[in-house]
Formats: sequence, C-alpha cells, structure tokens
Amino acid sequence: AQSVTQLDSHVSVSEGTPVLLRCNYSSSYSPSLFWYVQHPNKGLQLLLKYTSAATLVKGINGFEAEFKKSETSFHLTKPSAHMSDAAEYFCVVSDQGSGTYKYIFGTGTRLKVLA
Amino acid sequence: DVKVTQSSRYLVKRTGEKVFLECVQDMDHENMFWYRQDPGLGLRLIYFSYDVKMKEKGDIPEGYSVSREKKERFSLILESASTNQTSMYLCASSLRRGRAVQYFGPGTRLTVT
Repeated sequence: AQSVTQLDSHVSVSEGTPVLLRCNYSSSYSPSLFWYVQHPNKGLQLLLKYTSAATLVKGINGFEAEFKKSETSFHLTKPSAHMSDAAEYFCVVSDQGSGTYKYIFGTGTRLKVLA
Repeated sequence: DVKVTQSSRYLVKRTGEKVFLECVQDMDHENMFWYRQDPGLGLRLIYFSYDVKMKEKGDIPEGYSVSREKKERFSLILESASTNQTSMYLCASSLRRGRAVQYFGPGTRLTVT
C-alpha cells in the first residue's frame, strides 16, 4: 500500500538560510511524487513533480527535490529561504496501487521563516 | 491557466441542514476530486469522479454524496450536516487518471453549529 510520511510537522528557518523539508514514501509500483504549497486561506499550488524522468526535479520559486529510490525519499530543498516561503507544504505520492491510481497526501509541514 | 472555482469561501450551517458545495473547472478535465483538510491529518479523499455521472468513494465518504451532471461541475452534498463535518473542503481536477497534476480550488471553510 502507498503511504507518505512527512518527518517534520513544523520547520523554522531564518531568512536567507537553506530549507529542507523531508518526505519518505512507500510504494509497490513506480510512483509519481509531487510537492504542493498552501499559503494561508488558499488552495494548494504545485511546486514540482517527479514522474520517472530525471531524479533531480526543479520547481517554481527556487525549490527542488531529489528522488532517491534506495532511501524512498523525496526531500524538498531551497538554498535560501524568503519570507514569502512561509506556508504549509504537502508531499504527495501517486501510483497504481490496488489497480487504480490514487493520490496519497502527507500530513503537511508548516514552514516558518524568521526575519 | 487552469481555474478551479468553489462556490463559497466561507459557509456557516446549522446541524441537520442539507449543504451543497459546488466546484467548477474550466479546462475540460476528466477527473475531479473532493477532499477535506483538517489540522494534522492532511488531505483526505471524500469522493472522486472520472467521468460525467460516474463517482467513486474515497477514504471517508460517510455522510457525503456527490453529483456530476456536467463535465465541468462536481458537487459535494452533506445530506444532514453534523458538527464533525466542520472542516476545510478542497476541490481539485486533473487531466488524466492518476500521475497527473491536480489543480485545486481555493477551498470552502464550512462551520456547522
């Protein structure tokens, strides 16, 4: 069965320092993986997606993520945090488990950026 | 750009009322989804639809029903609202079945008193 674990519910960083949001997944098939961001009182917006092409995926706003099959991880990184990055981030896995595609969401990581 | 709209941003209803949440997408997507979002639980799938008049239960369908009479519109219905259905409701659509990017609406924050 598919599952997603976001290892930190809250992360705080100072503006200008690197961001690391951790995600581990479980999948019996070749998965697709996504990171979405949700700003307060808004819907979710796609940051980036992995669909079995290059393992290092670049997304919007300077974010990137690396698919590591051996570690079943898909961590999100950014070299330098900006105040506007403060939001909640969701890691999502999709594969053809049980004969039908499903999207499984992690429980989210709330990123706080300190001035 | 894909646009997914939801009929209300905020809604307050009384226990026992019938509640309709409407979602419309403008990109001719086949697939539409209803999720509820609660703190610490992430997004949980209520129902989804892969075609007009077609629906499938998600992980938490109890107390909800859906309707998809037209491709662009997917409605979530709370037959008799209860306080434990107070939540943020998010609608999404995607072009293809599985693996495709989902596009989300802004959400409806429903409070049942």
